Amino acid sequence: DIQMTQSPASLSASLGETVSIECLASEGISNDLAWYQQKSGKSPQLLIYAASRLQDGVPSRFSGSGSGTRYSLKISGMQPEDEADYFCQQSYKYPLTFGSGTKLEIK
Amino acid sequence: EVQLQQSGAELVKPGASVKLSCKTSGYTFSNYYMSWLKQMPGQNIEWIGNIYGGNGGTGYNQKFKGKATLTVDKSSSTAYMDLSSLTSEDSAVYFCARRAWGARRYFDYWGQGVMVTVSS
Repeated sequence: DIQMTQSPASLSASLGETVSIECLASEGISNDLAWYQQKSGKSPQLLIYAASRLQDGVPSRFSGSGSGTRYSLKISGMQPEDEADYFCQQSYKYPLTFGSGTKLEIK
Repeated sequence: EVQLQQSGAELVKPGASVKLSCKTSGYTFSNYYMSWLKQMPGQNIEWIGNIYGGNGGTGYNQKFKGKATLTVDKSSSTAYMDLSSLTSEDSAVYFCARRAWGARRYFDYWGQGVMVTVSS
């Protein structure tokens, strides 16, 4: 199985600050990577797919980048509604696997 | 509007089975795969498997073979997951999630999740 190592596990950011979350795959995944946001008690919502494509309706302050085994999610200008857990998911090979998540809080 | 409506919370005894449902609307059920996923409190999300709405073809995470059985009812656009021989390790929130169109293996719509508690 492809292991997804996500960092940091938790992060605290001020409003307006730019934050980055990283995922490292145990093997190359050819940009087959998605990012999800999960607010407390809710189901995950797709933010980014194919490493850098923004899902319809997602604010443009969210962006994704990376290649090979290293990928990142950037939030340019933290907003109160961005406080949530964030997960990466490789969509390259079965079984589909997720990172362990990053808890993002407002400082 | 695409909607995935899951059945309510379950409290089941160890060794028992439970069947979870995911009723869909707002899209052509038979054209998409549905996946099921497991999330234990404060932990990773695990992919259990998926099923094609058109013909019921399935694919499972090896870890969940023998534990989960996925089925669909096209007439009601509903997906089901049976979980058998339940133990405390099966206590979790279970989500159904629609796989995006075609060969894409990410999830664009999710159900609200259902809490399964295994306890005597």
